[in-house]
Amino acid sequence: SQQGEEDPQALSIQEGENATMNCSYKTSINNLQWYRQNSGRGLVHLILIRSNEREKHSGRLRVTLDTSKKSSSLLITASRAADTASYFCAATTGGGNKLTFGTGTQLKVEL
Amino acid sequence: SQTIHQWPATLVQPVGSPLSLECTVEGTSNPNLYWYRQAAGRGLQLLFYSVGIGQISSEVPQNLSASRPQDRQFILSSKKLLLSDSGFYLCAWSKGTVYGYTFGSGTRLTVV
Repeated sequence: SQQGEEDPQALSIQEGENATMNCSYKTSINNLQWYRQNSGRGLVHLILIRSNEREKHSGRLRVTLDTSKKSSSLLITASRAADTASYFCAATTGGGNKLTFGTGTQLKVEL
Repeated sequence: SQTIHQWPATLVQPVGSPLSLECTVEGTSNPNLYWYRQAAGRGLQLLFYSVGIGQISSEVPQNLSASRPQDRQFILSSKKLLLSDSGFYLCAWSKGTVYGYTFGSGTRLTVV
């Protein structure tokens, strides 16, 4: 079953604009992670935020986590055409070793 | 540095034929290993994971099985493929739940 659900399912923006993707999840989590997938390729880990953290930055990426609302957001600032990809949130829960993925947001950055 | 190898990249197999996909990890020991399947335009579904040699956890009852004969080798198998087994199969490894996963490049399986 899917733990996370991303919103929007698809997003199209112009280069230089910011892109915001949201993720909602169902149960308590240990941490939440964001991944990028270029078409037909494997996933690349972008950033991990622990359940006791509220915000984290990595380069042009900013992730927030609101455990009271069971939601997270990924902000990509000053987007580039190379950022075109699908973005997935994923979460680990309880004492398990498994990561459950959301349904993904398809981002298209146009020149 | 750690690397993960997954092959083949693409595979076209007839219904009823067997399947063997292999994944190996280099540069680390005792990794957690995972097999995911991704249907077209969809999220990832966890199929199997392993926290050690010979330890396999199955997430979804199906026509597939997994084995871990060596510490850094994870194999996905089927005795008889079904049309519904078509998809994009991804292997991944991790050192634990507080770490991100590293994914292989995937295998595109088409059952005809």
